[in-house]
Amino acid sequence: QVQLVESGGGVVQPGRSLRLACAASGFSVKDFAVHWVRQRPGKGLEWVAGIRDDSSNIYYADSVKGRFTISRDTSMNTVSLHLSSPTVDDTAVYYCARHRDQGIYCFDSWGQGTLVAVSS
Amino acid sequence: QTVVTQEPSFSVSPGGTVTLTCALSSGSVFSSHYPSWYQQSPGQVPRTLIYATNIRSSGVPGRFSGSILGNKAALTIAGAQVDDESDYYCALYMGHGISIFGGGTKLTVL
Repeated sequence: QVQLVESGGGVVQPGRSLRLACAASGFSVKDFAVHWVRQRPGKGLEWVAGIRDDSSNIYYADSVKGRFTISRDTSMNTVSLHLSSPTVDDTAVYYCARHRDQGIYCFDSWGQGTLVAVSS
Repeated sequence: QTVVTQEPSFSVSPGGTVTLTCALSSGSVFSSHYPSWYQQSPGQVPRTLIYATNIRSSGVPGRFSGSILGNKAALTIAGAQVDDESDYYCALYMGHGISIFGGGTKLTVL
């Protein structure tokens, strides 16, 4: 059974960094891409970043490029998102999602989300 | 900047049929954008309904179908049920690992 579990959310001051983790089970992050999608309070879904199965390619939305870093640990079967110098505008629930490539290109499994609140 | 647009809200009567659409600011939506659709009930995690334009995800009822209508992607719910009252999001694949979500449609069934 495919499962994704996020952790690491919480309250963070503007300018402080935060690392979110996504623990995958039921599949290997070496075989599937994993992406992060966020949802600001009361707003819609926004794609944030993704890492391919072979980690050959990493992708970022313009809104986070240069500030967020996605990485993975194949030994732990996890994908992380490092938020550097977040702003109030980064306050959101962050979901990790498995992304199907190869002619399908959809998010087929979602974690339960972790809330990040950027506040002084 | 490319924007994906959905109707902000829609209403349908129980048993009725509704079609939600997904438009691309830069032009037409094609199957090569691999349109996908997600349902999100209040306080819940998004659920994948449709991918690659018209393929239903496992366990999704047959009343949900996807298509390309004109220059937009479309999600049709035939025989809507009260439980279908949710937010619906489309996503388009833009290549190079990048997906763009639409703003979502809030569907009311009453």
